[in-house]
Amino acid sequence: SQLAEENSWALSVHEGESVTVNCSYKTSITALQWYRQKSGKGPAQLILIRSNEREKRNGRLRATLDTSSQSSSLSITATRCEDTAVYFCATLTGNTGKLIFGLGTTLQVQP
Amino acid sequence: GGIITQTPKFLIGQEGQKLTLKCQQNFNHDTMYWYRQDSGKGLRLIYYSITENDLQKGDLSEGYDASREKKSSFSLTVTSAQKNEMAVFLCASSRLGASAETLYFGSGTRLTVL
Repeated sequence: SQLAEENSWALSVHEGESVTVNCSYKTSITALQWYRQKSGKGPAQLILIRSNEREKRNGRLRATLDTSSQSSSLSITATRCEDTAVYFCATLTGNTGKLIFGLGTTLQVQP
Repeated sequence: GGIITQTPKFLIGQEGQKLTLKCQQNFNHDTMYWYRQDSGKGLRLIYYSITENDLQKGDLSEGYDASREKKSSFSLTVTSAQKNEMAVFLCASSRLGASAETLYFGSGTRLTVL
């Protein structure tokens, strides 16, 4: 079955630094999404990148997709304390509507 | 904009008990989902419903039933709660027919079984 997984359990940076979360997946996809989940809340989508796209930006966020290596990265520049959260990648195959989530990477941004 | 409302926020049950979790959305979305989130295990799909009166099993449907009463609501029943079970159940919705779906999540129901 399809599996999306982030490559690090936890990361810690100081405010203002940049950080990258990586994700790998195992089957062909139509799109990959990055979600952020803050404590006590449900996940919220950050970026959706389709299989024919290589890069997508959203403010301080930049996602890349490499379908040949079946991997994606999410970079956050000028991190803030409020970026502290768990970051998930999630992959979609075809039009099933089934989104498969990775295990998540916990990011701690310290003052 | 819209919102996903999950009730209750916290649910405490006894072993063997049948427990029902409810979800309402006002996005007018066709598709709704139930995910289970365990610590360190990401989100796993339990059931989803593409349209009203449709039900599709996810990867973790055993031990659960679901019901799509109307377009705006989707319920999940734990048929027999397991002792020491602790998890967060997340409801989500999305549009139907897009080539890539954005899911909108509720804040979750946290289940504890004594």
